[in-house]
Amino acid sequence: EPEVTQTPSHQVTQMGQEVILRCVPISNHLYFYWYRQILGQKVEFLVSFYNNEISEKSEIFDDQFSVERPDGSNFTLKIRSTKLEDSAMYFCASTPDRVEYFGAGTRLSVL
Amino acid sequence: QKEVEQNSGPLSVPEGAIASLNCTYSDRGSQSFFWYRQYSGKSPELIMSIYSNGDKEDGRFTAQLNKASQYVSLLIRDSQPSDSATYLCAVTGYGGSQGNLIFGKGTKLSVKP
Repeated sequence: EPEVTQTPSHQVTQMGQEVILRCVPISNHLYFYWYRQILGQKVEFLVSFYNNEISEKSEIFDDQFSVERPDGSNFTLKIRSTKLEDSAMYFCASTPDRVEYFGAGTRLSVL
Repeated sequence: QKEVEQNSGPLSVPEGAIASLNCTYSDRGSQSFFWYRQYSGKSPELIMSIYSNGDKEDGRFTAQLNKASQYVSLLIRDSQPSDSATYLCAVTGYGGSQGNLIFGKGTKLSVKP
């Protein structure tokens, strides 16, 4: 069964460093999303992406964040200068219609 | 601010019993409603989706939607220990694919053997 693939599963970085989280959505899906979940808190929407552009973003998705679809399969989330409070699980999701399917997530630890 | 509210639990039921999970949402324009299951340290896994008022059944799971009351519920019949997880209610305000999901904090379910 097709699935959303995320790499790496765990990323450790120093505060102020740039990180890129990678996602391969399900191949026939057209809508892509990034969510994050801080430990013990709820899943929060970051950004949605369709037709090679951002369709919606939340207040969390500030200038430190960017998304890109560099080729036909990958979808990336870049955090330019990480802060301690960026430590969280980051989930990529994709959908062909209404139902969003989530990847296994990347645990980002900012030291 | 669009909100989705759930009792955090824990909700404890004996094996074989019915577990009832509830969710309310604030945005009357919400169109699509989902229940996800999340095991500790894992990603959300879709259990049910529901888009119109009434009941929707899938195996041991039944989702119920009442848009007038802004209320969604999930019933799990014949609960199993493997159902022990956090159940997330999620809502989107758009009828189509572009809607981002607004999640509740989740209800932790514990099924005792």
